[in-house]
Amino acid sequence: AQTVTQSQPEMSVQEAETVTLSCTYDTSESDYYLFWYKQPPSRQMILVIRQEAYKQQNATENRFSVNFQKAAKSFSLKISDSQLGDAAMYFCAYRSNFGNEKLTFGTGTRLTIIP
Amino acid sequence: EAQVTQNPRYLITVTGKKLTVTCSQNMNHEYMSWYRQDPGLGLRQIYYSMNVEVTDKGDVPEGYKVSRKEKRNFPLILESPSPNQTSLYFCASSFGGLAGSLINEQFFGPGTRLTVL
Repeated sequence: AQTVTQSQPEMSVQEAETVTLSCTYDTSESDYYLFWYKQPPSRQMILVIRQEAYKQQNATENRFSVNFQKAAKSFSLKISDSQLGDAAMYFCAYRSNFGNEKLTFGTGTRLTIIP
Repeated sequence: EAQVTQNPRYLITVTGKKLTVTCSQNMNHEYMSWYRQDPGLGLRQIYYSMNVEVTDKGDVPEGYKVSRKEKRNFPLILESPSPNQTSLYFCASSFGGLAGSLINEQFFGPGTRLTVL
């Protein structure tokens, strides 16, 4: 079974600075997807960024980018120019490309933005 | 507006009183799923459905039932709720069955906060 580990329960960053959230995963599969979801106080799950395992190029979405290291099974999220609206719980998630489209989530990292 | 809706958003109930949380999507998605979110555990899958009349257990199915009689609806049923089912519940849906397709993004509902006393 796949597992996802987020070793940082809480992180904080000064507004306008850069922060990196860590995520590692364990799988024996070679074809899969990785995601970062944001959960603000409203509790809505918002997709931030996704990465296909077969793509070597790291995904980017505006101020959000990932560092995908397939051999190391690492998938960190970098937030540049942090804004107050980035304050939320962030979840890393894994999805196999076969069968059930279940998302396997990490335990989350709560990000605080310091004004 | 494309969305996944859940009702109710909040529910406080007592042990043993049957309840249903409804989930509906208007995107013609084939795949639907239920997750529960607990502090320190992230989200865990309860049940999923690949299509109408096709459902299967996820990682934490005990104490729950589901049905998929229509493509758009996927209700979660707690026949005899217990306090350990107090949690935040999410329904999610996607087009499904398109390996490698970017449109396999899962869309989440707004969540249902359930408290069982």
